[in-house]
Amino acid sequence: KNEVEQSPQNLTAQEGEFITINCSYSVGISALHWLQQHPGGGIVSLFMLSSGKKKHGRLIATINIQEKHSSLHITASHPRDSAVYICAMGSQGNLIFGKGTKLSVKP
Amino acid sequence: DAGVTQSPTHLIKTRGQQVTLRCSPKSGHDTVSWYQQALGQGPQFIFQYYEEEERQRGNFPDRFSGHQFPNYSSELNVNALLLGDSALYLCASSLGPEQYFGPGTRLTVT
Repeated sequence: KNEVEQSPQNLTAQEGEFITINCSYSVGISALHWLQQHPGGGIVSLFMLSSGKKKHGRLIATINIQEKHSSLHITASHPRDSAVYICAMGSQGNLIFGKGTKLSVKP
Repeated sequence: DAGVTQSPTHLIKTRGQQVTLRCSPKSGHDTVSWYQQALGQGPQFIFQYYEEEERQRGNFPDRFSGHQFPNYSSELNVNALLLGDSALYLCASSLGPEQYFGPGTRLTVT
């Protein structure tokens, strides 16, 4: 069993919809990361969090340490949000990644 | 600040050959981590370099080796290439807990 599980694996949404991507992990962590990967490969770090909630623009990330669960929300989704969203656990180096959620937002 | 840079962008090699990939960290970062991402999978940790030493290593064979230079740039070397080594190789640099990723090197082994 992968230590980091994401759902759904694929997600198609209409522009403007509220998106939620879930991440569950199996061991205690020091930090959880949400990353965005566009076609071509480049990865951008969106959030790093160890408790509570963080917000950046239309993106919100939450984490529940007791339940070992995190969610990434996108409000008012837009076609430019189409990408693979990956959660990863760990702190400095040696990140363990989920397989990613491929999001496609249709206009 | 150019951020994390990697070279080359793409590379095609034949089975049995050796390859060297390069990474320049973000300015001020002293730690470099390397990851392998097979198609359709999440990245897998290869190893991490700090102060020119390998600090952590993932579950990769000895064919995968690396080096960090005094300017913190790093190389990943893969010997005796296998078809299964075809992947996107990502470098990430850090000073603290947050990692900054480079664009990756796409390696194809034929």
